Amino acid sequence: AQSVTQLGSHVSVSEGALVLLRCNYSSSVPPYLFWYVQYPNQGLQLLLKYTSAATLVKGINGFEAEFKKSETSFHLTKPSAHMSDAAEYFCAVSAEGGYQKVTFGIGTKLQVIP
Amino acid sequence: GAVVSQHPSWVICKSGTSVKIECRSLDFQATTMFWYRQFPKQSLMLMATSNEGSKATYEQGVEKDKFLINHASLTLSTLTVTSAHPEDSSFYICSARDALAGGLYNEQFFGPGTRLTVL
Repeated sequence: AQSVTQLGSHVSVSEGALVLLRCNYSSSVPPYLFWYVQYPNQGLQLLLKYTSAATLVKGINGFEAEFKKSETSFHLTKPSAHMSDAAEYFCAVSAEGGYQKVTFGIGTKLQVIP
Repeated sequence: GAVVSQHPSWVICKSGTSVKIECRSLDFQATTMFWYRQFPKQSLMLMATSNEGSKATYEQGVEKDKFLINHASLTLSTLTVTSAHPEDSSFYICSARDALAGGLYNEQFFGPGTRLTVL
């Protein structure tokens, strides 16, 4: 069984400030971890994924996430927020290995204040 | 690459009618497609996993006879909401796994979603 917990359903940051979106996972087996972004009335787009290689993963649009096994965390960060980053962000987990079911978190809505 | 389309993007129908939603992988083969339902301000709820050429696997609590899924080819899966009622109104999203690449890392490529409103 696996699950993800996203702390904070809403996060507000000023433009240019650090973005930190928190995700903690629970998995009985080694996990794969994902961050997806969803813009209004659109599907999800993959930002980055952890698949048991490097623990620091760089994704698109300047985002990165670090897998910390001891903390069971996979927080998403970006050094400087842009207005275009305003969206819903979903953390997701699957078991290691191919063709596994993916479980999504409840999502965090990011607001960027000019 | 890895583009998934959905049609229609929105639909309004009367209670009791059936609605078909198409999900297509445009530039890759998808042996597996997934159908999700998303309520406002909530996460995605997996409804079913659709495998090409075989019956779909439904999640617990999802009515098979109400949500008919067909995956007849490597690029097309359809979801038919039969005898729709207002409580079926939702945002339906499909996703697909690339048979060659994405399957290895469980990566899914998502369609843009279909907004269903049942009057």
